[in-house]
Amino acid sequence: KAGVTQTPRYLIKTRGQQVTLSCSPISGHRSVSWYQQTPGQGLQFLFEYFSETQRNKGNFPGRFSGRQFSNSRSEMNVSTLELGDSALYLCASSLEDGSYEQYFGPGTRLTVT
Amino acid sequence: DQQVKQNSPSLSVQEGRISILNCDYTNSMFDYFLWYKKYPAEGPTFLISISSIKDKNEDGRFTVFLNKSAKHLSLHIVPSQPGDSAVYFCAASEHNTDKLIFGTGTRLQVFP
Repeated sequence: KAGVTQTPRYLIKTRGQQVTLSCSPISGHRSVSWYQQTPGQGLQFLFEYFSETQRNKGNFPGRFSGRQFSNSRSEMNVSTLELGDSALYLCASSLEDGSYEQYFGPGTRLTVT
Repeated sequence: DQQVKQNSPSLSVQEGRISILNCDYTNSMFDYFLWYKKYPAEGPTFLISISSIKDKNEDGRFTVFLNKSAKHLSLHIVPSQPGDSAVYFCAASEHNTDKLIFGTGTRLQVFP
């Protein structure tokens, strides 16, 4: 079974631009969560989607948004990029079998210049 | 406020010996705990988990211990192998949520 895939793997953007990152969960997984990893803050929860609905949200500004499609694939969008948005963005999917175990993709490395 | 803390940023252990990674948490609503391993340029890989109704869970060389009264958990790796060298994150979730709160990680180095 294929793992979680994320595209693109690397991205360079300029301040003020917007970016869209994509995540395809493991087949059969209906929950998708997004995390931001930075050297100073570690892994921080952005939001979680289940059945096309945002179910949980972290403490990030409204510039960070996401959505989930009927096939469970998910996208996250960051508008008006700031230098501090440079990070590794990780997507994780889970089976919703009560185990809370999440399986991560390789991440998208975003650099904002 | 860091709800999940890993106070040791790094740990160095000789091959064959035990590695003990520690994690403390502050939120008493957490009821499920997980350990992940992360190599550079890869996403975290799930290792082992434990529910708050248990105090120990074992999977091969990996054992997680939970002390609810102390709000402390630890991951034991026995015996340690060079391939275990990575960054280890502990994570916690509240009941019925998929929102994981991660610690800042401990870099484990296993030397021959």
